[in-house]
Amino acid sequence: GNSVTQMEGPVTLSEEAFLTINCTYTATGYPSLFWYVQYPGEGLQLLLKATKADDKGSNKGFEATYRKETTSFHLEKGSVQVSDSAVYFCALEDNAGNMLTFGGGTRLMVKP
Amino acid sequence: DTAVSQTPKYLVTQMGNDKSIKCEQNLGHDTMYWYKQDSKKFLKIMFSYNNKELIINETVPNRFSPKSPDKAHLNLHINSLELGDSAVYFCASSQIDRGFWDGYTFGSGTRLTVV
Repeated sequence: GNSVTQMEGPVTLSEEAFLTINCTYTATGYPSLFWYVQYPGEGLQLLLKATKADDKGSNKGFEATYRKETTSFHLEKGSVQVSDSAVYFCALEDNAGNMLTFGGGTRLMVKP
Repeated sequence: DTAVSQTPKYLVTQMGNDKSIKCEQNLGHDTMYWYKQDSKKFLKIMFSYNNKELIINETVPNRFSPKSPDKAHLNLHINSLELGDSAVYFCASSQIDRGFWDGYTFGSGTRLTVV
């Protein structure tokens, strides 16, 4: 079946550091890929998405590129802020049921 | 506000009790979901309804029973609560159109604590 693997956290960075959170997936076909963010005490919010190979999703300074050859969708940001501290989830669309399969989440902590 | 709203936000109850969590969306979406998030933040789908019909029913104890009176509502009833049911439960909705799908809109979650 489909699965999503994310790097385990927590990831602790200083403000203005470069961020990479790795995400790889296993799926049949060409699913859409998503990154969601969960701020403390809140629900998940869509951060960005990509629907086909080589697409780049971007939002709020975050980017991720759909790499079919490496089955990856790594999240990057050039300069993180304290307000980016949250849990980040990589997810893929399950073609069978139009549901999302999530990775285990990666907690990011940014220190001033 | 257009949103997915869940009530209650917090629920503390004793083992053995029966409780319900309500979810409503005013986005006009045709599909709704329940997810369980454990203490390690892992998200697992429980149920999905499309236009009031159950389409996903993962391996969940039959103490959990979803009910969808209309496509804007999906409630979750839990019988005989156990300590292991303590978690955050998220409702979500989406619109599944042929050739287009934009992921979910999530509610803010219900933190259930069974004591």
